[in-house]
Amino acid sequence: GDSVTQTEGLVTLTEGLPVMLNCTYQTIYSNPFLFWYVHYLNESPRLLLKSSTDNKRTEHQGFHATLHKSSSSFHLQKSSAQLSDSALYYCALRRGGLSGKLTFGEGTQVTVIS
Amino acid sequence: DMKVTQMPRYLIKRMGENVLLECGQDMSHETMYWYRQDPGLGLQLIYISYDVDSNSEGDIPKGYRVSRKKREHFSLILDSAKTNQTSVYFCASSLSPGSGNTLYFGEGSRLIVV
Repeated sequence: GDSVTQTEGLVTLTEGLPVMLNCTYQTIYSNPFLFWYVHYLNESPRLLLKSSTDNKRTEHQGFHATLHKSSSSFHLQKSSAQLSDSALYYCALRRGGLSGKLTFGEGTQVTVIS
Repeated sequence: DMKVTQMPRYLIKRMGENVLLECGQDMSHETMYWYRQDPGLGLQLIYISYDVDSNSEGDIPKGYRVSRKKREHFSLILDSAKTNQTSVYFCASSLSPGSGNTLYFGEGSRLIVV
C-alpha cells in the first residue's frame, strides 16, 4: 500500500533559522497528491499546502515545498522560523482517482525557541 | 461557517464498555473520515465514508465500526472498549473523494480506556 515517511520525529529550532522537514513517499500510482497539514496545540489539524505538479514550488504562509517525483519527495521549508511555527507537521499522500484515502506520515513535532 | 464538530471532546471509559463518538459537518461534504492520532504513529485511518451507508475500512478498522445515516453525520462506535484504544480520535470531511480535495478536521475526541 501507500506509505509516507517523515524521518524527524522531534525538531527544535532557534527563531530566525531556516526550517526543513523531510517527507518521502511510496505509491504505485503515478499522479499522487501530496499535502502538508499543520496541527497547532488545542486546534484542529489544517491544510498548509498541497501539490500534484512535478517540480513546481508551492507556497503558503511563508512555507514552501516542491514535489519531486523522481525522488518521491515533498520536503517542507521555510527561510526563517518563528515562535508561532511550533506545531506538529504531517506530510500526507492521496493517490490519484477517487479512492479518497489520505495516508499520513508519522508527523514531525517542531519546537521553535528564542 | 465551515465546521466539523466532534462530541464528546473528552471521555473516560472502563474496559469493556461501549463508546460512541459523534461527528457532524455543515458543508454537505460527501466524504467523511475517522482517524486516530498516537505519538510516533501519526494519523491512522480507521474508516472512510463516501456517503450515506457507503463506508469502507481504512488501515486499522479492527475493534471499530461506523454509522452514517445522514450525510452530515458520521459516528464511530467501539463495542467493548480496550485499553489500547486509548487515543485521540479525529473526524474529518472533504467535498468528495477526489485526490486534490482538502480534508477539514474536527478538534478531536480524547478517549481514555481504563
